[in-house]
Amino acid sequence: NAGVTQTPKFQVLKTGQSMTLQCAQDMNHEYMSWYRQDPGMGLRLIHYSVGAGITDQGEVPNGYNVSRSTTEDFPLRLLSAAPSQTSVYFCASRPTGTGLGELFFGEGSRLTVL
Amino acid sequence: GENVEQHPSTLSVQEGDSAVIKCTYSDSASNYFPWYKQELGKGPQLIIDIRSNVGEKKDQRIAVTLNKTAKHFSLHITETQPEDSAVYFCAASIHSGTYKYIFGTGTRLKVLA
Repeated sequence: NAGVTQTPKFQVLKTGQSMTLQCAQDMNHEYMSWYRQDPGMGLRLIHYSVGAGITDQGEVPNGYNVSRSTTEDFPLRLLSAAPSQTSVYFCASRPTGTGLGELFFGEGSRLTVL
Repeated sequence: GENVEQHPSTLSVQEGDSAVIKCTYSDSASNYFPWYKQELGKGPQLIIDIRSNVGEKKDQRIAVTLNKTAKHFSLHITETQPEDSAVYFCAASIHSGTYKYIFGTGTRLKVLA
């Protein structure tokens, strides 16, 4: 049971480049989400999904796109990277789509935009 | 918007002493308050949580207290050990269609041997 798997772990981009951060979970969780972690700012919610085909915006959605075509996968796309998107990104899932419960986090993806 | 304030940002204690981290939330409708521990290079992991119908919850050396009137909740770690050194995040639930969690800014705890 792998839990939440994120790839890549490290990535360096130039301003304006695009890329996708991958997230997969094998726990059949309904809810999946993306957070970014910046020094002194904690974890901020970017986008989330309560089930396949359903996505919504979090606190800081600008510059990011998501889709949820399957229960297992929730990729995060940066269409035109900016230095302000330099951060550590975490994918997290929980069993229930709309209820409370523990979030299970991946190990993170460190992105640097030059 | 809704927010969660967390203090202190860094905390150093001697091994065996207690550590207390405090959080304040703004949404009076919040009803779930988890605490996560993040070790270096890892993702956060849930260590304890509390719901609004309970004032205190304990799990071995870790306890959480909740004061709904004051909108405060705190994490207490007793008999600290070097392996308790990590970054700790509090969070509070907000509800709009589904439950989302607003996280505090984190506390870096160092336990000195």
